[in-house]
Amino acid sequence: DAGVIQSPRHEVTEMGQEVTLRCKPISGHNSLFWYRQTMMRGLELLIYFNNNVPIDDSGMPEDRFSAKMPNASFSTLKIQPSEPRDSAVYFCASSLMGGTGNTGELFFGEGSRLTVL
Amino acid sequence: AQSVTQLGSHVSVSEGALVLLRCNYSSSVPPYLFWYVQYPNQGLQLLLKYTSAATLVKGINGFEAEFKKSETSFHLTKPSAHMSDAAEYFCAVTNAGNNRKLIWGLGTSLAVNP
Repeated sequence: DAGVIQSPRHEVTEMGQEVTLRCKPISGHNSLFWYRQTMMRGLELLIYFNNNVPIDDSGMPEDRFSAKMPNASFSTLKIQPSEPRDSAVYFCASSLMGGTGNTGELFFGEGSRLTVL
Repeated sequence: AQSVTQLGSHVSVSEGALVLLRCNYSSSVPPYLFWYVQYPNQGLQLLLKYTSAATLVKGINGFEAEFKKSETSFHLTKPSAHMSDAAEYFCAVTNAGNNRKLIWGLGTSLAVNP
């Protein structure tokens, strides 16, 4: 079975450019999470969706960041304009939430490593 | 509010030695507890989870963890470390209700020396 698929795996861009990260969750999962990981701050939850609806975006750093989930099989995280401090590894994870027997286990993609020069 | 504390950001053991990674949690409701592992340049993957069944939980790669409610702990152990166990380990907690957003520890980096 395919896991969570993220693209691109690596992106190097210049300050001020728009960056779009993409994620395809595991089929059948109803929740999708975007995380950012840095040495300084560790793993930070940016936003999560349930049934394609954003539930909690309190972790989104500022208005430069936006995330969408137009359907159950695709999500994007966009940074516009990008800044050097946005350099990090961005992870997408999906899960099956709710109902009895579902424990909230997350399945992670391999991450998108972003470098903003 | 829930929280997770991982004691020791870096742990170093010799190959073949016992691995003990500490995790303490706070939760006002019955928790679900998880250990995830992250190998270099990879995403996180689940090692094991506690979901209110058996308090001693066995996971992949010979790891296990014991839920101790009286100590609010969920420490991760492995009897004999292998070089391939070198990785970052994260403890996480969520509640058993409908809102199951995970609360993460800061991680423990495990080094295994030959």
